[in-house]
Amino acid sequence: QSVLTQPPSVSGAPGQRVTISCSGSNSNLGAGYDVHWYQQLPGTAPKLLIYSNNNRPSGVPDRFSGSKSGTSASLAIAGLQAEDEADYYCQSYDSRLSGSVFGGGTKLTVL
Amino acid sequence: EVQLVESGGGLVQPGGSLRLSCAASGFTFSSYWMHWVRQAPGKGLVWVSRLNSDGSSATYADSVKGRFTISRDNAKNTLYLQMNSLRAEDTAVYYCGRVGIGYKGALDVWGQGTSATVSS
Repeated sequence: QSVLTQPPSVSGAPGQRVTISCSGSNSNLGAGYDVHWYQQLPGTAPKLLIYSNNNRPSGVPDRFSGSKSGTSASLAIAGLQAEDEADYYCQSYDSRLSGSVFGGGTKLTVL
Repeated sequence: EVQLVESGGGLVQPGGSLRLSCAASGFTFSSYWMHWVRQAPGKGLVWVSRLNSDGSSATYADSVKGRFTISRDNAKNTLYLQMNSLRAEDTAVYYCGRVGIGYKGALDVWGQGTSATVSS
């Protein structure tokens, strides 16, 4: 059981917008710690997609956006493309565990 | 080119040891905090350990505390993970990651991973 809770799977048709949620608690997201998002394509290492809640590293398309409110965060992907099919993970810091934590991951399927 | 390259994985019996290495290049290694993250076959990412830039402060996940030791040699631009008393549940691909400066803990560079299998 992950400290950060994500839906196991989401899906959408090409061109649509999907959101992936990440639910935490008062010892992580609710305590004000930032959330980060990663994309992991099949058979590859994770790639940073969003850092500090809503910031994109250079090279990440603006189709990807993040938000955070209270104990929850969301990753939104607009204009879905076939190449977006991947696993997505949220990450934050947990003060009770004194370490980083990841969500369980969400598999995005592009229909 | 900024790069992290892990090595040292392999097959080991339960109770055995492995030492993983993560060689950094293309950036000033001594300025960055570093992490180890693992992924069991078919499972999600799990944080393992973190070390600050000068190697003086380390933290560990409860599942590896007392068995794993993270360290670094800034002169050799290399991060290590010494894994002792290995268990079947430690079987995973191990990734090293760099904390981006100003990124509040986000890992902006990852290695390709090295696989550790614990089995008799």
